[in-house]
Amino acid sequence: AQSVSQHNHHVILSEAASLELGCNYSYGGTVNLFWYVQYPGQHLQLLLKYFSGDPLVKGIKGFEAEFIKSKFSFNLRKPSVQWSDTAEYFCAVKDDKIIFGKGTRLHILP
Amino acid sequence: DTAVSQTPKYLVTQMGNDKSIKCEQNLGHDTMYWYKQDSKKFLKIMFSYNNKELIINETVPNRFSPKSPDKAHLNLHINSLELGDSAVYFCASSPQGGVRNSPLHFGNGTRLTVT
Repeated sequence: AQSVSQHNHHVILSEAASLELGCNYSYGGTVNLFWYVQYPGQHLQLLLKYFSGDPLVKGIKGFEAEFIKSKFSFNLRKPSVQWSDTAEYFCAVKDDKIIFGKGTRLHILP
Repeated sequence: DTAVSQTPKYLVTQMGNDKSIKCEQNLGHDTMYWYKQDSKKFLKIMFSYNNKELIINETVPNRFSPKSPDKAHLNLHINSLELGDSAVYFCASSPQGGVRNSPLHFGNGTRLTVT
């Protein structure tokens, strides 16, 4: 069965710092990968997705992620974070259903 | 507005009661889901319906029963509520559940508190 691991449970950064959140998946077939964001008190919103083509995927709000098949990874990056990026971030993989990682809580200090 | 809408937003009830959460989507999607998010923010799929047909039923107590009267609605009924049922329940939909690259569109969640 597929699974998703997010290694960083809680990340604290200052504004303008660069961000990389790790995500590794376990699945042998064709993968479809997603990053979702959940702002405090809100529902999950799609940041970006990968299903084929260019392994470097651009998302909303300046986020990007790189699919590295050999490492089974799909890390999320942003060159310069803002206070408004404070949220919970979920990596997910989809086969017949979407499986979410346990989430990474990102806290940006103003 | 096009959206996935859930009601109620907050639900506080006592142990042993029976309650329902309603979900409607007007996005024209074929597939709908219920997810449970616990206090540690862990999201776990509970059920999935495609065109009113149950396609995913994870290991969920029988006290939880989904009902889909049509493909735009997926309600969740919970019998004999227990303290451990306290969580945020998210409804979601996607254009075609079997198409891998179709993302989920989430409702705003229902925060259930069982006392």
